[in-house]
Amino acid sequence: RKEVEQDPGPFNVPEGATVAFNCTYSNSASQSFFWYRQDCRKEPKLLMSVYSSGNEDGRFTAQLNRASQYISLLIRDSKLSDSATYLCVVLNTGFQKLVFGTGTRLLVSP
Amino acid sequence: DTAVSQTPKYLVTQMGNDKSIKCEQNLGHDTMYWYKQDSKKFLKIMFSYNNKELIINETVPNRFSPKSPDKAHLNLHINSLELGDSAVYFCASSQDTLGRVSTEAFFGQGTRLTVV
Repeated sequence: RKEVEQDPGPFNVPEGATVAFNCTYSNSASQSFFWYRQDCRKEPKLLMSVYSSGNEDGRFTAQLNRASQYISLLIRDSKLSDSATYLCVVLNTGFQKLVFGTGTRLLVSP
Repeated sequence: DTAVSQTPKYLVTQMGNDKSIKCEQNLGHDTMYWYKQDSKKFLKIMFSYNNKELIINETVPNRFSPKSPDKAHLNLHINSLELGDSAVYFCASSQDTLGRVSTEAFFGQGTRLTVV
């Protein structure tokens, strides 16, 4: 079983739609959580950190459920420019490494 | 000003050759990494260095040898290249050790290695 699991998609949605991605992690000792975004043929970039209380950044909302070892990302009012792969990332402090999920591909169409 | 730069961007080489990829960061970070992204787009850590010391070696074949001359540089040398080494290799850096909470990793643009 992978340490971080995501549905690879693709998720095809029209502009303006709301879309949600989920992610589960297996290491209960994981301490920090992130969503990264990767555009085609580009490097991953931090989209947002995920806090226990949940956090919002504009159209993006991230949630963490430690009991279920589950992280989510909600994108409201999707834009064409949101088309990318969204990577769920977990900081495994015991082994001092960032563990990436396989990513979920999002395609937003006009 | 590129924060994490790696060279070359593209590398095409024959099986059996030896090649190096260079990485430099100007962010003053203590920790640097090499990640491999295969054809299925899965990003997997290979190595992690903190202040020039190896922290993580993620069961990578010993044909891969990282070298960190100082904390701003982490180069990757690959001996006897194989077809299966074809992938995109990303260098990254982050502040301090990952014992700190909420530390962001900054990635280089990647090196697309093709072994023929």
